Amino acid sequence: EAQVTQNPRYLITVTGKKLTVTCSQNMNHEYMSWYRQDPGLGLRQIYYSMNVEVTDKGDVPEGYKVSRKEKRNFPLILESPSPNQTSLYFCASARPGVGGYTFGSGTRLTVV
Amino acid sequence: TQLLEQSPQFLSIQEGENLTVYCNSSSVFSSLQWYRQEPGEGPVLLVTVVTGGEVKKLKRLTFQFGDARKDSSLHITAAQPGDTGLYLCAGAGGGSNYKLTFGKGTLLTVNP
Repeated sequence: EAQVTQNPRYLITVTGKKLTVTCSQNMNHEYMSWYRQDPGLGLRQIYYSMNVEVTDKGDVPEGYKVSRKEKRNFPLILESPSPNQTSLYFCASARPGVGGYTFGSGTRLTVV
Repeated sequence: TQLLEQSPQFLSIQEGENLTVYCNSSSVFSSLQWYRQEPGEGPVLLVTVVTGGEVKKLKRLTFQFGDARKDSSLHITAAQPGDTGLYLCAGAGGGSNYKLTFGKGTLLTVNP
């Protein structure tokens, strides 16, 4: 089954404790992206990657890092999480110019 | 920055009623996509419209892309409780970043 898999689904952590949210896709998509979804603000792009070793900032990149060492994986790293990063995070992948995004099921992160 | 305004923000109707959701922008998009998101899950692609004036039908859902490719609408005929969810429109700018700009969504509740 074609899918984007995120882990974990739920995470509660403390301020300053580094964490990684993993994302993997099995569709051989070139494009991958991270979004956060907040009430009243909608979905906002954090980072994106056009292909392996090619990443760039989206609209709200502060406090986040990403890497794209393999085509299928695109982890999101929070080096020093803060409470304002409490949010619902989605990873998505796509083949540019063909159809739309395939989203993961989301990671609900709470930073206390 | 490209913005997409969706209206209404909330919509609560009875089973069997018809409804229309609007997605408007001052920017031109190369394509526009509609997604539906259920609680606790990621958005799922419903349709992509590419050509100005294009109309696509998906069972009881009718999607239209404006002639100038700046706006779109989603019409649901004879709504059912299973149509309940958050409907998101998203525009693709066509640039090097295959970025989707999302509207904030319309939360539809169809009551039995």
